[in-house]
Amino acid sequence: RKEVEQDPGPFNVPEGATVAFNCTYSNSASQSFFWYRQDCRKEPKLLMSVYSSGNEDGRFTAQLNRASQYISLLIRDSKLSDSATYLCVVNLASRGSYIPTFGRGTSLIVHP
Amino acid sequence: NAGVTQTPKFRILKIGQSMTLQCAQDMNHNYMYWYRQDPGMGLKLIYYSVGAGITDKGEVPNGYNVSRSTTEDFPLRLELAAPSQTSVYFCASSYWASDTQYFGPGTRLTVL
Repeated sequence: RKEVEQDPGPFNVPEGATVAFNCTYSNSASQSFFWYRQDCRKEPKLLMSVYSSGNEDGRFTAQLNRASQYISLLIRDSKLSDSATYLCVVNLASRGSYIPTFGRGTSLIVHP
Repeated sequence: NAGVTQTPKFRILKIGQSMTLQCAQDMNHNYMYWYRQDPGMGLKLIYYSVGAGITDKGEVPNGYNVSRSTTEDFPLRLELAAPSQTSVYFCASSYWASDTQYFGPGTRLTVL
């Protein structure tokens, strides 16, 4: 089983739709969790950190479920500009530090 | 602040050649990382550093070497380039292990 797994998609949704992605992780000692956004041929950029209590930033909501070992990202009222690849990142404890491990990303295409 | 800078942006190498990918950050971050991203895949960690003089292997270190003589710079050395090293290479930095990572714009390397 891969350490961090994501459905690669693509998720093809109309403008205004609500879409949700999940990301599962295998190491229960994982400490911190993030969602990054990557546009085509560009570097990843932080979208939001993920906390146990859940967090919201405008149209984006991230949740962490430690018991089931997954994180989720919900995007409401999708915009054309939300089209991108969404990468989940899990920091795994290793050799006295935390090593970031990326999922392969979920592709989102928002169409008119 | 320039953030994380990488040079060169593009490079074509012949099999067996060597090169150094440069990475620098001006945010006084402790942690620095090198990743490679193959088409349609997530980022795989090559090497990372927790501070000047300290480096450690990531998931895919074979064929690469790094050094960290200063806080700012973290060059990645490819010895005896192979076609399997054709990829996009991203450098990133963070203040602590569990913090947000900031990425450079990437180096697109082709080995022919």
